[in-house]
Parts: sequence; structure tokens; C-alpha cells
Amino acid sequence: GDSVTQMEGPVTLSEEAFLTINCTYTATGYPSLFWYVQYPGEGLQLLLKATKADDKGSNKGFEATYRKETTSFHLEKGSVQVSDSAVYFCALTTDSWGKLQFGAGTQVVVTP
Amino acid sequence: EAGVTQFPSHSVIEKGQTVTLRCDPISGHDNLYWYRRVMGKEIKFLLHFVKESKQDESGMPNNRFLAERTGGTYSTLKVQPAELEDSGVYFCASSQEGNTIYFGEGSWLTVV
Repeated sequence: GDSVTQMEGPVTLSEEAFLTINCTYTATGYPSLFWYVQYPGEGLQLLLKATKADDKGSNKGFEATYRKETTSFHLEKGSVQVSDSAVYFCALTTDSWGKLQFGAGTQVVVTP
Repeated sequence: EAGVTQFPSHSVIEKGQTVTLRCDPISGHDNLYWYRRVMGKEIKFLLHFVKESKQDESGMPNNRFLAERTGGTYSTLKVQPAELEDSGVYFCASSQEGNTIYFGEGSWLTVV
């Protein structure tokens, strides 16, 4: 079946550092790919998405490129802020109804 | 516009008791989903309603879990009787067909 693997956390880094969270997937169909974020005390929010190969999703300074050849969708941000501290989830869907398959989540802690 | 709201936000119950979680989707959203995250693991799909009908309930773990969506509006998820392994965060989400899935803040369930 479909699955998503993302790097384990927690990832701790200093403000203004470069952030990369690796995400790879296996899917029987042609998936759409997502990054969701959960800030402390809040629900899951869609951060960005990509629906076909080579698409780049971007939002709030974060970027991820749909790489079909490596089945990856790594999340990057060039300069993180303390407010980026959260849990980040990579997800995919191959379902026309949008049923999501999530990775385990990566906690990111940014220190001043 | 109100987002997806869930109640209660936190619940602590004893093994063998019953808990009912409620979800109010965004007004007008026909699709309603329940997901669950057991501590430290990935967020897993439980089921999907389209209006009042169950479109997909393949993720429901066992018959101790019962989901309903009265009149195609709010939904409830009942766990009876609760077991220790049911502890986790239960997320509700809603969407209009083909559009972004919006998540609630989750209901944290602890079974002791």
C-alpha cells in the first residue's frame, strides 16, 4: 500500500539556520503530495502542496519540489524563525476523495 | 468563517468507559473525515463521510468505534468500551469536493 517516510525528530536548530526535512513516499498511483504543519496548541494546517512531477509548492518561505524520479518531497526553508517551531507532516493522496496517508511527523524546535 | 471545531479538546477516561467526540465541519462542506494519531506515530485515516453516508470506513480499528453524521452536518465518534491503546489525538477534517482539506485542532483522548 501507499506509505510516507519522513525523517525522525526532533530537529533542533538556531534562528536563521537552514531547515531541511526529508520525505520519501511509495504509492501505487500518481499521488498528490502535501506538507501539513501543527503549531503548538493548534490544528493541522496545510502548508503547501504539489500535484504533479516537478511542481514546486511554496508558502511562508517554505518550499518543496515533487521529485518523481526519487519519489521525494523534501521540505526546505532558508532561514527559520522561532515561530516556525512546530510538528511537520508529509502526506500524500492517490484517492479522488482526498484520503490522506501521513508520515510520522517531524518536530522542529527553533531556538533564539 | 468558522473552521472545523471539535469537542472536547481533552478527555481523560478510565478503561472500559465510553467517550463521544464531536466534530462540526465547515458549513457547506460535504466531506468529513476522521483521523487519529497515536502517540509518536503517523496520523492514520479512520473514515470518510460524504454528507450523511459513509464513503470509506476502512480505517476504523474495530467495532468498539462507531461514527455517525446526523443529517449530514456534525459528526460524532464514539468509543465504547475504551481501551488503553485508544489514547491519542483524534482529528476531524472537512472539505468541499476536490478542494483543500481543513483540519480541526483535535480531541486529545487519554485512557487510564
